[in-house]
Formats: sequence, structure tokens, C-alpha cells
Amino acid sequence: GQQLNQSPQSMFIQEGEDVSMNCTSSSIFNTWLWYKQDPGEGPVLLIALYKAGELTSNGRLTAQFGITRKDSFLNISASIPSDVGIYFCAGPSNTGTASKLTFGTGTRLQVTL
Amino acid sequence: KAGVTQTPRYLIKTRGQQVTLSCSPISGHRSVSWYQQTPGQGLQFLFEYFSETQRNKGNFPGRFSGRQFSNSRSEMNVSTLELGDSALYLCASSRSGYSSGANVLTFGAGSRLTVL
Repeated sequence: GQQLNQSPQSMFIQEGEDVSMNCTSSSIFNTWLWYKQDPGEGPVLLIALYKAGELTSNGRLTAQFGITRKDSFLNISASIPSDVGIYFCAGPSNTGTASKLTFGTGTRLQVTL
Repeated sequence: KAGVTQTPRYLIKTRGQQVTLSCSPISGHRSVSWYQQTPGQGLQFLFEYFSETQRNKGNFPGRFSGRQFSNSRSEMNVSTLELGDSALYLCASSRSGYSSGANVLTFGAGSRLTVL
């Protein structure tokens, strides 16, 4: 089945630093989604990408849909304490529905002051 | 606008018991899907309901079942609970569930089940 591998698994950074994480797949995805999950909460959608090569920003967050369709990248600029959480990439399986998502393994971000 | 509401938020059961979890989707959303999140397996798709019909199913045993009502509210049931069923169960809703820019999933806060 489809698998999504995220790296790094965890990151400890200082406030103000930029963050980069990526997600790679063994198969092609036509949509890439980036979610953030805070402790005790469900994932919240940050950015959605629909086209190979697409670069999309949401405030301090920027994500890119890889040209091969097998990878995606998320960058966070000037990190702040509220950026702490787990970041997941996800993509719909090949069932024609956006509801059956395959999730990555997650990148846990810790921000120190 | 209210988000996806899941009840209960926390519950503790013992092995062999059964449990029912409830999900109220965002108003106007007709697709409800369920996910299981565990430290070992991560987020895994359980099933999706649309217009009271199961439309997609993940690779979980038959002990996991669900249903959707005419008002789009959904319930999932796990029978004969096992220790490994301890997890955060997440519900997500979308307008129709088809791949398009308008149909991304919105998740609830989850129901955390502990099986002793």
C-alpha cells in the first residue's frame, strides 16, 4: 500500500529559527496536504497542494508539491512557541475520495525560547 | 460555525466490552470518516460514510463498525475490545468526500479510548 515517510522524526529548534521538513512517498499522489496536531486535539489543515510544482504559502508556512509527485516539503519561517506540535503530511488514496487519507509518520517540533 | 464534535472525549473500558463513539459533522457536511491514531501505527483510516452508506473501508477487523444517520451524524462501534484498541479515535467531515479543493477534511478533537 501507499506509505508516506516524513523526516526528520523530531526537531528541537530555537525561537526565531526557520524549519524545514519533508515527506516522501513510494507512489504518486495527486494532492498533498499538511496538517498540524496539537496535544489532545485533532489534526488541523495548514496547506493543501493540488498541482505538481505548486508552491503555496499560509502566513509563515510555505509548502511545495514535488515535481515527481512523490514528495512534498513544508517550511516554517521565524518559528514561535505556538508552532510546537506534530506536523503530518497526507494524501488521498487512489479511490476517488478525499476522505481516505494516507498519513505520514509525523514530525514532532519543539521550540525553545 | 461549529466544528466537528466528538463524544465522549475520554473513556475507559475493559477487555471484552464494547464501545460506541459519536460524531456530529459540520453543518452541511455529508461525508464522515473515522481514523484511529496510535503511537505505533500512526493515523489509520477506518471507514467513511456518505448519505448513510459506507463508501470506503480500511483494513480493520469486523469488530469495528459504524453507521451514519439521516442528519449525517455518525457513530462507530468497537465490539469485544482488546488492549490494542486503546487509541485516539478521530472523526472528520467534508462536504462530499471527493477529491477537490473544497472537500478537505476537518477533524474533531477525538475520543480517547483506554482499554484495561
